[in-house]
Amino acid sequence: GAVVSQHPSRVICKSGTSVKIECRSLDFQATTMFWYRQFPKQSLMLMATSNEGSKATYEQGVEKDKFLINHASLTLSTLTVTSAHPEDSSFYICSARGVKLEQFFGPGTRLTVL
Amino acid sequence: QKEVEQNSGPLSVPEGAIASLNCTYSDRVSQSFFWYRQYSGKSPELIMSIYSNGDKEDGRFTAQLNKASQYVSLLIRDSQPSDSATYLCAVPRPSGGSYIPTFGRGTSLIVHP
Repeated sequence: GAVVSQHPSRVICKSGTSVKIECRSLDFQATTMFWYRQFPKQSLMLMATSNEGSKATYEQGVEKDKFLINHASLTLSTLTVTSAHPEDSSFYICSARGVKLEQFFGPGTRLTVL
Repeated sequence: QKEVEQNSGPLSVPEGAIASLNCTYSDRVSQSFFWYRQYSGKSPELIMSIYSNGDKEDGRFTAQLNKASQYVSLLIRDSQPSDSATYLCAVPRPSGGSYIPTFGRGTSLIVHP
């Protein structure tokens, strides 16, 4: 399967700071990437769909001004959590969609906001 | 009715047994079906895809699809303790010219020695 990387794998930050998470598809071009959030022992929650060259589509209840998504190239999407607060602490996972609608997930980023 | 339904489990099976994981979906026009495995604290990993009715085998895994019944299952033969994980069923839903990823809540599988 395709390889998707995510960076950083873990980040601890102070409340009020912004955190940027990068998601890269390493061996194929991904026109569509997805961003998920997962709280402990909870299901995956789709936050937004990131389309190369256009604005992201956010799921209901996800604040677009707080979770900024940029998909500037066919291999890179970024998620910026602005003015992070402790309730934003979670496991953030990106995925890249393949030609048959399968998803290849990155390893995830564990965010802890103090 | 939820779009993709799975029994949350846990499903507990002894080592060497067959584990059977089930999933039903609501959108009749769905054409693609996936199973992902997620270990605790890790991200999901694609393990099987199936697109047509019948069985598809890959090693110890067999995916079964019945579009008439809107049912997809995953069989794991000769279950090993390392198979203990949460298994997610995914059925992309057509929407506005694209597809929305739609996951079940996942079934927790425990394989005990």
